Amino acid sequence: AQTVTQSQPEMSVQEAETVTLSCTYDTSESNYYLFWYKQPPSRQMILVIRQEAYKQQNATENRFSVNFQKAAKSFSLKISDSQLGDTAMYFCAFMMYTGTASKLTFGTGTRLQVTL
Amino acid sequence: GAVVSQHPSWVICKSGTSVKIECRSLDFQATTMFWYRQFPKQSLMLMATSNEGSKATYEQGVEKDKFLINHASLTLSTLTVTSAHPEDSSFYICSASPRGRGSLSSYNEQFFGPGTRLTVL
Repeated sequence: AQTVTQSQPEMSVQEAETVTLSCTYDTSESNYYLFWYKQPPSRQMILVIRQEAYKQQNATENRFSVNFQKAAKSFSLKISDSQLGDTAMYFCAFMMYTGTASKLTFGTGTRLQVTL
Repeated sequence: GAVVSQHPSWVICKSGTSVKIECRSLDFQATTMFWYRQFPKQSLMLMATSNEGSKATYEQGVEKDKFLINHASLTLSTLTVTSAHPEDSSFYICSASPRGRGSLSSYNEQFFGPGTRLTVL
């Protein structure tokens, strides 16, 4: 079974600064995907970024980037130029590749507060 | 992007009654839908995986007779909480994955509904 661990229950960052959220996971699979989801107060789950495990290059989406260390089973999220709208719960998630729809395993989440 | 709706967005019911929650994919066909449960300030826990035209697969510890799932069409899955009790009060979220076989470079993305808040008195 796969497990996802987020060791930072809460973090705070000032507007325009950079913050890194940590995530580690455990799996014996070689083909899988990793995700960061954002859940704002509305509670709608929003995909922030994804990483295919077979790709060595770290994924980037505008101000969001990841540091994927496959051997260390680490998948951190860096948010640059933080904005007030980034305030939310952030969940790291794992999906095994099966060729069809597969379930997501979520970490416990990190609550990020962006302050003025 | 693909849109998933849930109905109702919130519901309050009396203990012992049954409540049905609908999950619809509005602009795509979903072979598979997933039902998650989220307690306050906690993560999402998968309850069951629902495949169109077949029985749902429940996660360990989830009572299948209490949480009835029906995936009758490629755009609709329903979760019925039977004989609800206060401990069933929670936020229920569904997600839907489009029809088709994914490749390693084109995974089967999950699109999430907005969630349903259930309060059992």
